[in-house]
Amino acid sequence: AQSVTQLDSQVPVFEEAPVELRCNYSSSVSVYLFWYVQYPNQGLQLLLKYLSGSTLVKGINGFEAEFNKSQTSFHLRKPSVHISDTAEYFCAVSDREGETSGSRLTFGEGTQLTVNP
Amino acid sequence: GAGVSQSPSNKVTEKGKDVELRCDPISGHTALYWYRQSLGQGLEFLIYFQGNSAPDKSGLPSDRFSAERTGGSVSTLTIQRTQQEDSAVYLCASSLVWTTEAFFGQGTRLTVV
Repeated sequence: AQSVTQLDSQVPVFEEAPVELRCNYSSSVSVYLFWYVQYPNQGLQLLLKYLSGSTLVKGINGFEAEFNKSQTSFHLRKPSVHISDTAEYFCAVSDREGETSGSRLTFGEGTQLTVNP
Repeated sequence: GAGVSQSPSNKVTEKGKDVELRCDPISGHTALYWYRQSLGQGLEFLIYFQGNSAPDKSGLPSDRFSAERTGGSVSTLTIQRTQQEDSAVYLCASSLVWTTEAFFGQGTRLTVV
């Protein structure tokens, strides 16, 4: 079984400030890691993913995340946010053991990022 | 189609009625998921289909909920005898098995009155 904990339910920041959204996971097997973004009244959109290789992953809209296996973390960062980044962000994990048969995504509770002018 | 399509986008139903929610996944995607998102809550896993394997139904909250996937493509989530606590946005997603990246539809907002 796997679980995801997003440590902050709400993160308010000012425009052009840096931001970090924290995500920790637990799993008994190796995992794939994802960040999704949900804008108001829309579905979820993939921001970035870690499957293998470099632990620093770059995604869309200037976001990046770093996989830290020893700390079982996958924190999302952006050096300078815009008002348009205001949205809910979800961290998710899937089980690598299911690579050939597919495996379900387990999501965190979400972090509401609010960027203020 | 270009993306995952869900219908209807909004559904208002009376308590006790049955509802059917439809999901058309991306063509060629073998995995299909249903999630539920209640107000202020995260995404609650409901059910997962992968190819011809038996579906993972471990997330269905009660026996009033069921889902099927016909021909490995379109899926229908059925809620019988709806209750007010069933009110939520129901999200469908699909993925290619070897990437595991899931693409989500816009969701169906279900309101039980």
